[in-house]
Amino acid sequence: DAKTTQPPSMDCAEGRAANLPCNHSTISGNEYVYWYRQIHSQGPQYIIHGLKNNETNEMASLIITEDRKSSTLILPHATLRDTAVYYCIVRGPNTGNQFYFGTGTSLTVIP
Amino acid sequence: DAGVTQSPTHLIKTRGQQVTLRCSPISGHKSVSWYQQVLGQGPQFIFQYYEKEERGRGNFPDRFSARQFPNYSSELNVNALLLGDSALYLCASSDKNGRDRYGYTFGSGTRLTVV
Repeated sequence: DAKTTQPPSMDCAEGRAANLPCNHSTISGNEYVYWYRQIHSQGPQYIIHGLKNNETNEMASLIITEDRKSSTLILPHATLRDTAVYYCIVRGPNTGNQFYFGTGTSLTVIP
Repeated sequence: DAGVTQSPTHLIKTRGQQVTLRCSPISGHKSVSWYQQVLGQGPQFIFQYYEKEERGRGNFPDRFSARQFPNYSSELNVNALLLGDSALYLCASSDKNGRDRYGYTFGSGTRLTVV
């Protein structure tokens, strides 16, 4: 069962930062937060993951609150190609180390 | 480098038939997982295999089975197809055993339509 809550949809203007929230209030200490995205009719694409520290890579930044009950994925300069469904996933031994996808957030980047 | 490859890309079957879907992981990856994605929903975990052994099974009926070969490729079999089995079937591979903090790489999937 998915252990995360995300808004069903969001819009973002092209060139602006897209901030996608995720609530995971029941996360355990040994569970990681992962973000994947899925562009229409393609397989999910890994974006980033973290445990408790903020993380950054070439695609995005992940901000995890100190109590680890929520996180935010930041796409610093959204482009039209970032239009996709974004999934926030909690994964660890308690989830059988599997990825349980919810319904995600459908992000639309507007020109 | 080739990513995760799945075949066929599209398939149409009739209710009651059997289907076999194939997946080749990224070279060097020993773990393969299968997911089902029904239209409008997120992917649902079906199976995970590592080193040819089943390491996890999701909440799917026994009509679904899978195996992993010595070259780490994998097949997903579905018997007695139902209309509700129509979905995108995704394969994901990892170079770890699944009990780790690394992400998986997904293929583009096989679109199965049952009529």
